[in-house]
Formats: sequence, structure tokens, C-alpha cells
Amino acid sequence: EAQVTQNPRYLITVTGKKLTVTCSQNMNHEYMSWYRQDPGLGLRQIYYSMNVEVTDKGDVPEGYKVSRKEKRNFPLILESPSPNQTSLYFCASSLGVGEYYEQYFGPGTRLTVT
Amino acid sequence: AQSVTQLGSHVSVSEGALVLLRCNYSSSVPPYLFWYVQYPNQGLQLLLKYTSAATLVKGINGFEAEFKKSETSFHLTKPSAHMSDAAEYFCAVSDPGTASKLTFGTGTRLQVTL
Repeated sequence: EAQVTQNPRYLITVTGKKLTVTCSQNMNHEYMSWYRQDPGLGLRQIYYSMNVEVTDKGDVPEGYKVSRKEKRNFPLILESPSPNQTSLYFCASSLGVGEYYEQYFGPGTRLTVT
Repeated sequence: AQSVTQLGSHVSVSEGALVLLRCNYSSSVPPYLFWYVQYPNQGLQLLLKYTSAATLVKGINGFEAEFKKSETSFHLTKPSAHMSDAAEYFCAVSDPGTASKLTFGTGTRLQVTL
């Protein structure tokens, strides 16, 4: 089944403890992206990647890191999480780079930082 | 920068009634426009997209949207609401040349009552 998977789905952690949220797609998509969803703000892009080893900042990159060493994986790294990073995170991917291509979203990771 | 405004964070309709969810965009160039739906505890699913072909776009589950350049609008409609339509709906815009970046509205939660 074609899909975007994220792990973990739920995570509660403490301030400053490094964590990684994994994202993997099995559709051989070139483009991958991370969004965070907050009430009243919709979804905002954190980082995106147009291909292996090619990443760039979105609208809210502060406090996050990403890497794209393989085409299928795009992990989101929080080196020192803070409470303001408590949010619902979505990974997305699309076949090509460009607005015409539909983006497929993962199921989401709900992160709570205390 | 492009932006999207969704009027009404909550909309309630009776089962069988018309569904109308409003979306207005602000873009300096003709944009690509999307409607996504998010069911509880799930990721986002594409309902429909406008990519400068027909101005009336038909999507899944009986939804459609009409692109009106003069009004900078892309409202989502469905003639007859069903209980299963209860979800959160997001309008999104992508400017050509922005490498697949989606800018989302703040979302509209649709409630369907008996």
C-alpha cells in the first residue's frame, strides 16, 4: 500500500531531551516536507526537501533540523525541544517538485514537551 | 507572499443541507489552489485542486469548488451534507515556482447535525 508513515504517533518528552520523529514513504517520491499544525494557525511548513541531500527552510524552521540521506526517509530532529514545540506534526511527500503534484500526508505525530 | 483566508472556523449544517465553506486567496500570480480534508486523528486527504484548467473543479465525495479570479475565491460546496462529512477542511494555495510549498488557511470545522 502506498503510504507515508510516521513514528512515533504520540510522544511526551521533557524540555531539552533530543528527539527524532521519523518519516518514510514507499512511493519513490522526490519531494518531502514537514508541517506543524496548531489550533487557529492551520499548517505551517517547517522544512522541505526536493531530493536526496537537498533540503531548505520553510516558514518556521527555528529549533528543528532535518536530513535526507535516502530518498524514502526524511526525519525531523529536535535537538533541544521546548514547550512551544508542542504541536501536531505532519510529514508529506509528492512525486515531483512543483505545485501541480498532489502531496500525500502521513497520519501525524502528536508531540508534547513539558 | 501568498495567503489564504478561511471565513468561519466552525460551520454547522443539517444533514441533507447545502455545505458552503469559504476560501479567499491573496496571490500576486495565478495560483494553484487545493482543498484538503482532515478526519479525526488522521492526516490530510486531498479533496480537489485547481490548476488553471476548468474553473469548476469536482472532487471526491461529491464536493466541488469554483475558482473565481474576480473575487479571489475558491469556495467549497456540496449539495447535500452527510454525517460522514464532519471533519476539518483546509484550503491551501501554492504559487507557481515555489517548489511545492503549500500555504494553508486556518481551517474550518464542519459539523453535521441530524
